[in-house]
Amino acid sequence: AQKVTQAQTEISVVEKEDVTLDCVYETRDTTYYLFWYKQPPSGELVFLIRRNSFDEQNEISGRYSWNFQKSTSSFNFTITASQVVDSAVYFCALSENNQGGKLIFGQGTELSVKP
Amino acid sequence: GAVVSQHPSRVICKSGTSVKIECRSLDFQATTMFWYRQFPKKSLMLMATSNEGSKATYEQGVEKDKFLINHASLTLSTLTVTSAHPEDSSFYICSARPRLTGELFFGEGSRLTVL
Repeated sequence: AQKVTQAQTEISVVEKEDVTLDCVYETRDTTYYLFWYKQPPSGELVFLIRRNSFDEQNEISGRYSWNFQKSTSSFNFTITASQVVDSAVYFCALSENNQGGKLIFGQGTELSVKP
Repeated sequence: GAVVSQHPSRVICKSGTSVKIECRSLDFQATTMFWYRQFPKKSLMLMATSNEGSKATYEQGVEKDKFLINHASLTLSTLTVTSAHPEDSSFYICSARPRLTGELFFGEGSRLTVL
C-alpha cells in the first residue's frame, strides 16, 4: 500500500531562517513519482516539483531545494532564507506508475514565516 | 502552461439542494480527471477518477449516488453533490491529465458551503 507521511504538522520560523519540511513515503512500486505542492490561504494548489523514482539527483530552484533519498524513502524540501510569502501549507504527494496518475497526499505541513 | 479551471469557485446552497461543480481543461484534452475533497486543516483525499466516456471509479467510502461525476467530453468533467447536507461542506479540487503526458494540473478549487 502507498502512503505519504509528513510528520511536521506546523512549523513556525522567523524570516530569513532556513527551514526543512520532511516527507517520508511508502510504496511497493519501483516506478513512482513524488511531488511537492504549495497551498496558500487562497486555496489553490501550486505545483513546485515532480521527481521520478529513477532520478535521485537533488534539485535546487532559487531558494528551494529538494533532497530525494531512496534509501530512506524520503523527499525533503528545504526553503533557504525564508520569507513571509512562503507561509502556506505544503503537501508532499506520491503517484505510483500503475495508478494512472492519481496522487496520494501527505497530511501537509503548515509553515508560518514571521517577520 | 496547461490550465485547469473550476467553476464556481465558491457556492453556498441550502440543505437538500444539488450543486454542480465544473472542471475544464482549457488548452488540452484530458482523458482522465480526478476529484479531491479537502476538509479544513486537512489533506486532500481522492474521491474518484473520472474517465472520458465511461463511468467514474470511486474510492472506497465515497457514495457514488451522492457525488455524481460525469466526464462527457475531453475537456469537461462535472461533480454534482446531490441532496447536499452541511457535512458536505468542503473544498473540492479537480485535477486533469493530458492525453500524451503524465503531468497533472490542478484547478483552483471550489468551496462549497451547505447551510
